[in-house]
Amino acid sequence: DTAVSQTPKYLVTQMGNDKSIKCEQNLGHDTMYWYKQDSKKFLKIMFSYNNKELIINETVPNRFSPKSPDKAHLNLHINSLELGDSAVYFCASSLRGTGTFHEQYFGPGTRLTVT
Amino acid sequence: TQLLEQSPQFLSIQEGENLTVYCNSSSVFSSLQWYRQEPGEGPVLLVTVVTGGEVKKLKRLTFQFGDARKDSSLHITAAQPGDTGLYLCAGDDNFGNEKLTFGTGTRLTIIP
Repeated sequence: DTAVSQTPKYLVTQMGNDKSIKCEQNLGHDTMYWYKQDSKKFLKIMFSYNNKELIINETVPNRFSPKSPDKAHLNLHINSLELGDSAVYFCASSLRGTGTFHEQYFGPGTRLTVT
Repeated sequence: TQLLEQSPQFLSIQEGENLTVYCNSSSVFSSLQWYRQEPGEGPVLLVTVVTGGEVKKLKRLTFQFGDARKDSSLHITAAQPGDTGLYLCAGDDNFGNEKLTFGTGTRLTIIP
């Protein structure tokens, strides 16, 4: 009965490779997010989708491309991986609407290591 | 750019002691949330405060939203090793941009 799940949990790859991270939520939420947490534990939003529509696109290199096939899934594809992409990536979901406060439900994270 | 500064950045105390973590900004937020993150896991929502001056209690944790809705505090009474983790505040400016601004984080360690 996992609420927000991500795969894989760990990802080790070499510079220049392309990789994808998958995320699924079964909470019935309509908004999903990708965050990056750096080594200092600072959590920064990258993208957000509401009902499959991109609504937030922070200053992220265009090597990062999110895709939302439906409102329960949000995947992240990264092209030409660089050393600086090493971080923990979190998927999250929330419910949008009057009386909501964008309270986030996070997945367990994907630790990406680029060598 | 909104910024939420948390203090202290690191805190290590003995079991049974009390502590307070602060979350400060120059911006006004319509609501503010506190999360706790344990190693290897994602942040977990603890509480949301909405009204200026609001106080919420969660067992030994007391959360307060500043009167001007620019700051918040988290007070833990009689800390226990299970309280160890990274505490993050997050503000919602409700300007329709659908995102939270997360604080810089406080890493709390409770020594048995």
